[in-house]
Amino acid sequence: GEDVEQSLFLSVREGDSSVINCTYTDSSSTYLYWYKQEPGAGLQLLTYIFSNMDMKQDQRLTVLLNKKDKHLSLRIADTQTGDSAIYFCALRDGGFKTIFGAGTRLFVKA
Amino acid sequence: DTEVTQTPKHLVMGMTNKKSLKCEQHMGHRAMYWYKQKAKKPPELMFVYSYEKLSINESVPSRFSPECPNSSLLNLHLHALQPEDSALYLCASSQVAGTGGPGELFFGEGSRLTVL
Repeated sequence: GEDVEQSLFLSVREGDSSVINCTYTDSSSTYLYWYKQEPGAGLQLLTYIFSNMDMKQDQRLTVLLNKKDKHLSLRIADTQTGDSAIYFCALRDGGFKTIFGAGTRLFVKA
Repeated sequence: DTEVTQTPKHLVMGMTNKKSLKCEQHMGHRAMYWYKQKAKKPPELMFVYSYEKLSINESVPSRFSPECPNSSLLNLHLHALQPEDSALYLCASSQVAGTGGPGELFFGEGSRLTVL
């Protein structure tokens, strides 16, 4: 079945850029997503990218998609303490199932 | 309105109790989901309703019983749970796949369940 892998932890200093990486096995997904989960809360969609795009920029967020290598990344510019959260890479299987990575816990040091 | 509302936020129950979790959305989404999330893990799919009919049951034990009374409401009835069922239960909704758009999930804040 589909597998989505992410590194578990990332620590950055406030003001630096954060890059969270994700690799996946199935290239048939039309959309790829990044969700954010803050402590004690549900997940919220941060951004998504259509599978025929290489890059998407949305304010401080840049998503890069390398379909050949099955690699997705999320770059957060000027990272703030409020960005501390868990970030999940996710794909949809074409039906109702969303496959989540294990989540990357981002720590932002002041 | 882009909210999914879940109640209660916290629930403590004994193994012999019967309780229910409730979820409501008014975004016109016809797909609704229950997920279970343990600490430091991604959400695990439990059930999916599409057009108020159960489409997916991920081999969930029968002590969890979902119900979709209408297109806006989703319930999860709990009975004879075990301590290992303690988790954050997340409700989500989305457009049905194939109807256009990215089909992202809209999550509620979750109901944190503790089974004693």
